[in-house]
Amino acid sequence: DAGVTQSPTHLIKTRGQHVTLRCSPISGHKSVSWYQQVLGQGPQFIFQYYEKEERGRGNFPDRFSARQFPNYSSELNVNALLLGDSALYLCASSLVAGAVKTQYFGPGTRLLVL
Amino acid sequence: AQSVTQPDIHITVSEGASLELRCNYSYGATPYLFWYVQSPGQGLQLLLKYFSGDTLVQGIKGFEAEFKRSQSSFNLRKPSVHWSDAAEYFCAVGTQGGSEKLVFGKGTKLTVNP
Repeated sequence: DAGVTQSPTHLIKTRGQHVTLRCSPISGHKSVSWYQQVLGQGPQFIFQYYEKEERGRGNFPDRFSARQFPNYSSELNVNALLLGDSALYLCASSLVAGAVKTQYFGPGTRLLVL
Repeated sequence: AQSVTQPDIHITVSEGASLELRCNYSYGATPYLFWYVQSPGQGLQLLLKYFSGDTLVQGIKGFEAEFKRSQSSFNLRKPSVHWSDAAEYFCAVGTQGGSEKLVFGKGTKLTVNP
């Protein structure tokens, strides 16, 4: 079975622009979470979605938004990009929401903001 | 709030030597604990997890970890390190409640000398 897939793999944007990152979960997984990993740090939780509803939000500004589609894939949107948004963005999927379940991560999208 | 501390930023071991990576967590309830490994430029791969039961858990690639509630620790061990184990290792704690948020430590980079 295919794992979590993310697109694009790399992206270069300039300050003030908008970016959309995409994630397809493992087949059968209904929960998708997004994390930001700045160089030299551990991943930080941004959002979790389950059945198209937001189930959790981390400490990120409103410039960050996400949604989940009926096929359980997800998009992460970031508006008004700042230099500090440069990071590896990781998507993870799990079978169900609710109690902590094992999350499986994709390869990530590396975003560089100039 | 929950937190994870990985005291060692960088560890160097010789191939064939034993390895122990330290992880301490702070969480009020029963923790769900994970170890992930990240190779350069890659996403996170799950090594092992602890939800309940036996406090010594076995994972992939010959890794094991021991949960010690009295010490709030979940240290990762391997009896004999291989050159391919060189990577960054992240400990994470899962939260109970509505979301599947994982809180990660800052990671430990492992270098393996031939």
